[in-house]
Amino acid sequence: AQTVTQSQPEMSVQEAETVTLSCTYDTSENNYYLFWYKQPPSRQMILVIRQEAYKQQNATENRFSVNFQKAAKSFSLKISDSQLGDTAMYFCAFMKHRGNTPLVFGKGTRLSVIA
Amino acid sequence: NAGVTQTPKFRVLKTGQSMTLLCAQDMNHEYMYWYRQDPGMGLRLIHYSVGEGTTAKGEVPDGYNVSRLKKQNFLLGLESAAPSQTSVYFCASSFQVFWGYTFGSGTRLTVV
Repeated sequence: AQTVTQSQPEMSVQEAETVTLSCTYDTSENNYYLFWYKQPPSRQMILVIRQEAYKQQNATENRFSVNFQKAAKSFSLKISDSQLGDTAMYFCAFMKHRGNTPLVFGKGTRLSVIA
Repeated sequence: NAGVTQTPKFRVLKTGQSMTLLCAQDMNHEYMYWYRQDPGMGLRLIHYSVGEGTTAKGEVPDGYNVSRLKKQNFLLGLESAAPSQTSVYFCASSFQVFWGYTFGSGTRLTVV
């Protein structure tokens, strides 16, 4: 079974600074997908970024980028120019490429952006 | 707006009572899921469906039942609620699983 580990339960960052959230996963699969979801205080789950394991290029979405290290099974999220609206829980998630297997989530990292 | 709608948004149950949570999506998605979110535990999969008339167990299925009689609806039932089922429940759907999910806004359920 796949597992996803987020080793930082809580983090904080000053507004306009850069922060990196860690995620590691365990799998024997070669092809898979990785995701970061954001959950602000409103409780709504929002897809931030996704990465396909067979693509070596790291995904980016505006201020959000990932550092995907396939051999190390690491998938960290970097938030640049942090904004107060980035305050949220962030979940890392894994999905196998084969079949219709659902997402497996990590336990989350609570990020606070401080003015 | 198109998306995933969960009803109700909040509910308080007494131990032993039953209830059904409704999830409806209008995006013609094949795949639908029920997760529960507990503090420090992330999101854990309860049941899921890969199409109309199909259901499958997830990581924590005990105490729950589901049905997908219509493609757009996925129902989660609690036959005899227990305090351990106090949680926030999320429904999600997807067209192609590798594009990620669209989530509902969640149901906060308290069992006293």
